[in-house]
Amino acid sequence: GAVVSQHPSWVICKSGTSVKIECRSLDFQATTMFWYRQFPKQSLMLMATSNEGSKATYEQGVEKDKFLINHASLTLSTLTVTSAHPEDSSFYICSASPLAGPGETQYFGPGTRLLVL
Amino acid sequence: DAKTTQPPSMDCAEGRAANLPCNHSTISGNEYVYWYRQIHSQGPQYIIHGLKNNETNEMASLIITEDRKSSTLILPHATLRDTAVYYCIVNNNNDMRFGAGTRLTVKP
Repeated sequence: GAVVSQHPSWVICKSGTSVKIECRSLDFQATTMFWYRQFPKQSLMLMATSNEGSKATYEQGVEKDKFLINHASLTLSTLTVTSAHPEDSSFYICSASPLAGPGETQYFGPGTRLLVL
Repeated sequence: DAKTTQPPSMDCAEGRAANLPCNHSTISGNEYVYWYRQIHSQGPQYIIHGLKNNETNEMASLIITEDRKSSTLILPHATLRDTAVYYCIVNNNNDMRFGAGTRLTVKP
C-alpha cells in the first residue's frame, strides 16, 4: 500500500515558539493532503485540506493564521503551528491519497506528537 | 458530524471472529463505507472499503446490507494485535471524518 511519513514523530517546544511538521507521500504523488489533530481519548478531527499549489481550506473553528499549511510539491505538505501554546499540545496526523475522487483510499501518516511547555 | 453509529466497545476472544457493526442509515447512493483502525498512539490504518457489494481482503471482510443502511466488519481470527479503535466512515470524497469508533479488545 501507499506510504505516508511524518517528521518529526514527536516534538517538545516552549510556549511562543513555532513548530513545523512535515507530511510526505513516499511512493506516490498527492494533489490533496489532509491534516487532523487528536486530543487524548478523543477521535481525530479534520483541521484542513491542503491543496498543492493553492491555499489550504480550513475547517470551521480552525485558525488559519495559527496553523499555516504549505503544499509546495506533490509529495510534501507542511503544517506550522505558530506561537504554540500548551493548549496546542496534541497528536497531529496527516493523510494523502494517490488518486482523488469517490472510492479512493486515504493513507495516514504515523502522526506527530506535540508537547508545548 | 460523523454519519455513522458504532458501539463504543466490544470484546472478542483470541482466535475467534470479531464482528463489528456500523449503522449508517442516512448513507447516500454514491457514498462508500470505509473502515480504519487506530492502534494506540499510531496513525489510522486502512482496512477495507466498499460501495454495495461485500468485500474481502487479507485483513478483513466487509458485509454491507442490501439497503446499505448498515455494515459489519469481520476479522475472521482475531489476535491480540487486533486490539484497537475501529472507525466506520461513510463518504464520497477524500476527507475522512471520524466518529468515536468502537474500541475492540481481544482477550487471551
